[in-house]
Amino acid sequence: QQQVKQSPQSLIVQKGGISIINCAYENTAFDYFPWYQQFPGKGPALLIAIRPDVSEKKEGRFTISFNKSAKQFSLHIMDSQPGDSATYFCAARRLGQGAQKLVFGQGTRLTINP
Amino acid sequence: DTEVTQTPKHLVMGMTNKKSLKCEQHMGHRAMYWYKQKAKKPPELMFVYSYEKLSINESVPSRFSPECPNSSLLNLHLHALQPEDSALYLCASSQDTLYQPQHFGDGTRLSIL
Repeated sequence: QQQVKQSPQSLIVQKGGISIINCAYENTAFDYFPWYQQFPGKGPALLIAIRPDVSEKKEGRFTISFNKSAKQFSLHIMDSQPGDSATYFCAARRLGQGAQKLVFGQGTRLTINP
Repeated sequence: DTEVTQTPKHLVMGMTNKKSLKCEQHMGHRAMYWYKQKAKKPPELMFVYSYEKLSINESVPSRFSPECPNSSLLNLHLHALQPEDSALYLCASSQDTLYQPQHFGDGTRLSIL
């Protein structure tokens, strides 16, 4: 119930293409769904996040689609660029004990070919 | 540049050494976190401090000892670590209000000889 399943594990996209990463969860107590981008040697950086009462959120080339009934959410990267090559983690958050617990997906290593 | 600062960036220590990792944030966040991240894996939560009190310990071995001296600082004291403890140790912080994300530092790369 605490898991977030992320796919694919790795993804290769041509420059200018659309990158799509999918996540699914079981626990309905999750109340916030952030995506993090991590470059080698760096910590995860918040990319975009969505609340479960919103079906889509767009920030620049990045869009989250959220399907509450299916318990699925996905990240779309439009016009993918070589600089987008990184590992992407979806996460689901649960509040409790005065703080938030993040459950991460296993990550997707994205490579954008020039 | 991240707003959560971790020092040192790299640390190599023997199994009998005692060392500390430090984390600092000046965003006024009242929750602070320690994570461990192995290569090609997601971060794993170790400890959570909320308002300078330890609120979550994810069954971490006692050779890891967290400390929160004030609302801006978080330490992780290390003693008698094992080679399998080699990893990237990440600190994060967050507001205690709804829909505010966690902000991560760039971590300390720890190697145990």
